[in-house]
Amino acid sequence: QVQLQESGPGLVKPSETLSLTCAVSGYSISSGYYWGWIRQPPGKGLEWIASIHHSGSIYYNPSLKSRVTISVDTSKNQFSLRLSSVTAADTAVYYCARPDAWALIDYWGQGTLVTVSS
Amino acid sequence: QSALTQPASVSGSPGQSITISCTGTSSDVGGYNLVSWYQQHPDKAPKLMIFEVSKRPSGVSNRFSGSKSGNTASLTISGLQAEDEADYYCSSYAGSVTFGVFGIGTKVTVL
Repeated sequence: QVQLQESGPGLVKPSETLSLTCAVSGYSISSGYYWGWIRQPPGKGLEWIASIHHSGSIYYNPSLKSRVTISVDTSKNQFSLRLSSVTAADTAVYYCARPDAWALIDYWGQGTLVTVSS
Repeated sequence: QSALTQPASVSGSPGQSITISCTGTSSDVGGYNLVSWYQQHPDKAPKLMIFEVSKRPSGVSNRFSGSKSGNTASLTISGLQAEDEADYYCSSYAGSVTFGVFGIGTKVTVL
């Protein structure tokens, strides 16, 4: 059974960088699929952030691209997200997920709430 | 990257059928048979209910069905049950630059 688990600070100060890691179990990241981040502001809908393939292919949400870094660590079977210069608008539940090459997500992490506040 | 259009809310009585629409463009919904639907209960991660327009993953009730015509996809829930009350999001592949796009979400209420 594939499982994804997000980890990282639940509180980030404005203008700082949000950093999250997703640990994957039950499947090797190197075996295929994309690995992505999706967020959901409180009471709002889902928004793609970025997705990465172990080969290096990356998709970004154009509206976030300038602030996003996504990376994969195959040795630890995990992938990470960094979002710089955060504001209150970046407050959201952040999900890691496993999309295929056609953006179909079959596995999601449980989500982690990140609040941007001083 | 504009979100796909969905009605904000749809409601129905137990046993009835409801349909949720999802409208995009020829660059996403209309361009590919790669529409999926997700169910999200409060404080839970989304769950895949339909993929490739009309296919159901193993374990998903056959009360859930999907279709597409042009730039609009639809999710139908038949024999509505209390447990179906949730938010539903459509999603579509949107090409090799944008990758994926979600709908704005529809809240389903069982009366």
